[in-house]
Amino acid sequence: EAGVTQFPSHSVIEKGQTVTLRCDPISGHDNLYWYRRVMGKEIKFLLHFVKESKQDESGMPNNRFLAERTGGTYSTLKVQPAELEDSGVYFCASSQDEGGRDEQFFGPGTRLTVL
Amino acid sequence: QKEVEQDPGPLSVPEGAIVSLNCTYSNSAFQYFMWYRQYSRKGPELLMYTYSSGNKEDGRFTAQVDKSSKYISLFIRDSQPSDSATYLCAFNTGGFKTIFGAGTRLFVKA
Repeated sequence: EAGVTQFPSHSVIEKGQTVTLRCDPISGHDNLYWYRRVMGKEIKFLLHFVKESKQDESGMPNNRFLAERTGGTYSTLKVQPAELEDSGVYFCASSQDEGGRDEQFFGPGTRLTVL
Repeated sequence: QKEVEQDPGPLSVPEGAIVSLNCTYSNSAFQYFMWYRQYSRKGPELLMYTYSSGNKEDGRFTAQVDKSSKYISLFIRDSQPSDSATYLCAFNTGGFKTIFGAGTRLFVKA
């Protein structure tokens, strides 16, 4: 069974540019999560999808971030325009069921560097 | 006060040593207590998961939860070089949002 995949693995962009990160969850997993780890800090929750619906986007930093999950399959996270403080590793995770008792499977992350 | 406190290390031990990793937390609503392991350039993977106070053992790993003290621990017996990774404590109130500690970097020397 394929795990969670993320693309690209690494992205380097200039401040003010746009970047789109993609996540393909494990097949059959309705729940998809985005997390971010900024250098030296803990991994922080950004948002949660159930199928194509956003359940909670309370962790999204500001309106420069836009997440979508069309058709309830893969998800994209767009940062527009990117700022220096957006640099970090963006993780996607998926799970079959909702709630703390359900294991979230993480992808390898996308390392974003904003210069 | 931060919701979760975890010493970032690094922690360096010789092969075969017993490793003790710890986290404290402040949120009494946390119901699920987890430990994730993260190798370099990889995503976190769930290592241990407990729901209640007490101990849970899985092979060389033992997770311990003390709700009264808001303190959780992970013990690794007979540590191996392959255990070298970052260990993240994580918490959940029963919903969908997982709260992570900053992670402790562990190095096991052969």
